[in-house]
Formats: sequence, C-alpha cells, structure tokens
Amino acid sequence: AAGVIQSPRHLIKEKRETATLKCYPIPRHDTVYWYQQGPGQDPQFLISFYEKMQSDKGSIPDRFSAQQFSDYHSELNMSSLELGDSALYFCASSSGPSQYFGPGTRLTVT
Amino acid sequence: GDSVTQMEGPVTLSEEAFLTINCTYTATGYPSLFWYVQYPGEGLQLLLKATKADDKGSNKGFEATYRKETTSFHLEKGSVQVSDSAVYFCALKFSRDDKIIFGKGTRLHILP
Repeated sequence: AAGVIQSPRHLIKEKRETATLKCYPIPRHDTVYWYQQGPGQDPQFLISFYEKMQSDKGSIPDRFSAQQFSDYHSELNMSSLELGDSALYFCASSSGPSQYFGPGTRLTVT
Repeated sequence: GDSVTQMEGPVTLSEEAFLTINCTYTATGYPSLFWYVQYPGEGLQLLLKATKADDKGSNKGFEATYRKETTSFHLEKGSVQVSDSAVYFCALKFSRDDKIIFGKGTRLHILP
C-alpha cells in the first residue's frame, strides 16, 4: 500500500539558513499534519491543513510556515534556522480519525 | 491540560516473555486512544487504536483496552520477539482537534 512520502530524508543546514521540507500524502487523503520530534522526545504537533486551508495550529515557531497545494502535497518552510531546530520532522496524512505517518526528515543544523 | 503518561523505559525482556507497557491519560472528554511504534531509524507506525470506552484494539499480537474508569490504555503482548524491539508511544486525540498528544515513549529491548 502507498505510504506518506517525505523528502528529503536527511538535510544538513547551517544556522540562519532556510530549509524546505516536502510531504506527499497517501492518495485520497485530504488532511496533512506536521510534527517535530526532538532527540529522545515525543513528537510535538506543529500545524495541519485540510483541503489546502490551515486547519489547526500547535507549537509552530513564527520562523516556520507551511502550506498545502492543489495536489494535496505540503511543504514546511523554515527560516533563520537555529541549532534547536535540529530534529526529526514528520508528516502525517489522513482521510478519517487515524493519522498515518511518513518516515520523517532528519534536519541537522550546524 | 490533556496529557499522556507512560512507564519510563528502557524495558528489557527476554524473548517469549509477557509484555505490559502502562499508559494512563488525563483528558477533559472522551478521546480516541492509540499506540504507535517507532523502529530504529524509522517513522511512526500506527500499531492499534480504540475510539471509545471498553473497546479493545489489537494488531500483531499486541492488545490494549480503553478503560474509562481507570483512564488507562495499557499495551500487552503474550510472547514478545526480538523484532518487537522499538520505542512505543501511547497517544490520544480528540475529534475536535487535529493534533495527537503523545506520551514520552517507552523503549523496549528484547533479548534473544
């Protein structure tokens, strides 16, 4: 079965640079979610989109923005990167109550 | 606020042992409850879920029952395998919200 696709899988950036993470949901899933998992931590909800509109917002820094496109894929844009942004970023998608997670993008900020 | 508390790890067991990972929640209302598993270097996989009181979720030999009276959702497996070694996250979600609230995770090591 098709799963959530995230790219890139690994990304290394320097402080103050920008990064763009991409997420391709499971076909026919209309809702996309972004989570951040710091080292040894539980995932924290950042933001979600339903039918290209922001649906819910969590602890997303103002330096981050996201959007969902007409083909339902989503991008998380991160600017002025800080060392503390180093984490695993998960995208999940759903068409109902259960969220299905992608493999994550590991971002390292040096 | 709403939260999930699960037993701290790591939990180390021998192969074929019985597994219990405790999970309790605090919530204003009646959320859906989930167990997710994260294998080394991989993403989160939905293991099982329960959407209302007394529901039992099961998958791959794992089970958990939604206990409203004790606000618990303990994960059990009768005979663990080395391949079950992973981090297990208990989680809750309300239908009114998009976010899933996760516990801190429990690392499980199974020795051959």
